[in-house]
Amino acid sequence: AQKITQTQPGMFVQEKEAVTLDCTYDTSDQSYGLFWYKQPSSGEMIFLIYQGSYDEQNATEGRYSLNFQKARKSANLVISASQLGDSAMYFCAMREVIYGQNFVFGPGTRLSVLP
Amino acid sequence: EAQVTQNPRYLITVTGKKLTVTCSQNMNHEYMSWYRQDPGLGLRQIYYSMNVEVTDKGDVPEGYKVSRKEKRNFPLILESPSPNQTSLYFCASTPGLGADTQYFGPGTRLTVL
Repeated sequence: AQKITQTQPGMFVQEKEAVTLDCTYDTSDQSYGLFWYKQPSSGEMIFLIYQGSYDEQNATEGRYSLNFQKARKSANLVISASQLGDSAMYFCAMREVIYGQNFVFGPGTRLSVLP
Repeated sequence: EAQVTQNPRYLITVTGKKLTVTCSQNMNHEYMSWYRQDPGLGLRQIYYSMNVEVTDKGDVPEGYKVSRKEKRNFPLILESPSPNQTSLYFCASTPGLGADTQYFGPGTRLTVL
């Protein structure tokens, strides 16, 4: 079974609008971490935001926020005020402490920001 | 500058010719990892290392070897590459268990003919 599911292979958003990228996860671990990464066309992996399973507040980093719903096992990324430079692949990932440092990534969502 | 470096960045080789992709980090991180990225599959962990001389298999270890003789270096070895190992490879490091981020190298694009 997929541990990380990203159901949106591709998304379009108008410049300056907000967009939500979905991520659901599956784990039996009580202590885990959730990550979002951006991969532009140049190929590098850029860390965006982190949420620990015990964090009560949703993580925020500038225009990025993580909508963490633990009971639903979802960790959606919200990008506010989209910019053309936000066009990229976005990956949701999970680290399960119970398995040492096993990181699992989702298949990604390709976001295209339209002018 | 804190960074993870990989070499080479691009490599075309032939089936069966042993190769090594080097990875080095200058942040004194304990944990290092190798991933491969294939279209539609995201990144899949090949091997990881919790510290010097401590390595473990990830989700797709077949056909790969690693070693961790020094804290800063974590080379990926393909003893007998095959075309299904054509992929984009990333090395990454984190300070340790429970860290809130991973630092990725720039990637190595490998083609096995």
